[in-house]
Amino acid sequence: DAGVIQSPRHEVTEMGQEVTLRCKPISGHNSLFWYRQTMMRGLELLIYFNNNVPIDDSGMPEDRFSAKMPNASFSTLKIQPSEPRDSAVYFCASSLPSTANTGELFFGEGSRLTVL
Amino acid sequence: QKEVEQNSGPLSVPEGAIASLNCTYSDRVSQSFFWYRQYSGKSPELIMSIYSNGDKEDGRFTAQLNKASQYVSLLIRDSQPSDSATYLCAVNRRNYGQNFVFGPGTRLSVLP
Repeated sequence: DAGVIQSPRHEVTEMGQEVTLRCKPISGHNSLFWYRQTMMRGLELLIYFNNNVPIDDSGMPEDRFSAKMPNASFSTLKIQPSEPRDSAVYFCASSLPSTANTGELFFGEGSRLTVL
Repeated sequence: QKEVEQNSGPLSVPEGAIASLNCTYSDRVSQSFFWYRQYSGKSPELIMSIYSNGDKEDGRFTAQLNKASQYVSLLIRDSQPSDSATYLCAVNRRNYGQNFVFGPGTRLSVLP
């Protein structure tokens, strides 16, 4: 079975440019999470969706970040304009309805973003 | 105070020894607790979950939970070089929905 699919795997961009990260959750999973991981701050929850609806976006750093989930099989995380401090690995994860509260998150391989 | 705290390590143990990883959390309403393993350059993967006070064993892994002390630990028996990774403690504050908060991780190195 295909796991969580993220693209691009690597992105190098210049400050001020728009960045769009994409995620396809595992089929049948109704919860989707966006995390950011840095050495300094570890793994931070940015936002999560249940049934395509954003439930908690309190982790989104500022207005430059936005996330959408137009349907059950696709989500985007957009940064506009990007800044060097946004450099990190961005993970998308999904979970089954039956394991939503059991902590079994299935992570994608991550998108490594470098903003110059 | 951070919500979930771990020693960053690195924790080095010889092959065959017991590795002990510790985690404390600040929110008393936390209901469920997890250990994830993350190899360098890879994504986290769930290895253990625990919900009740006491011990839970799965193969070479034992998770221990003490809610009164707000403390979770992971023991790895007969450590192998393949166990070398960063171990992330995660807490689900159920009262806040599916809000999984991760600790900074402890880097474990098992020396052959």
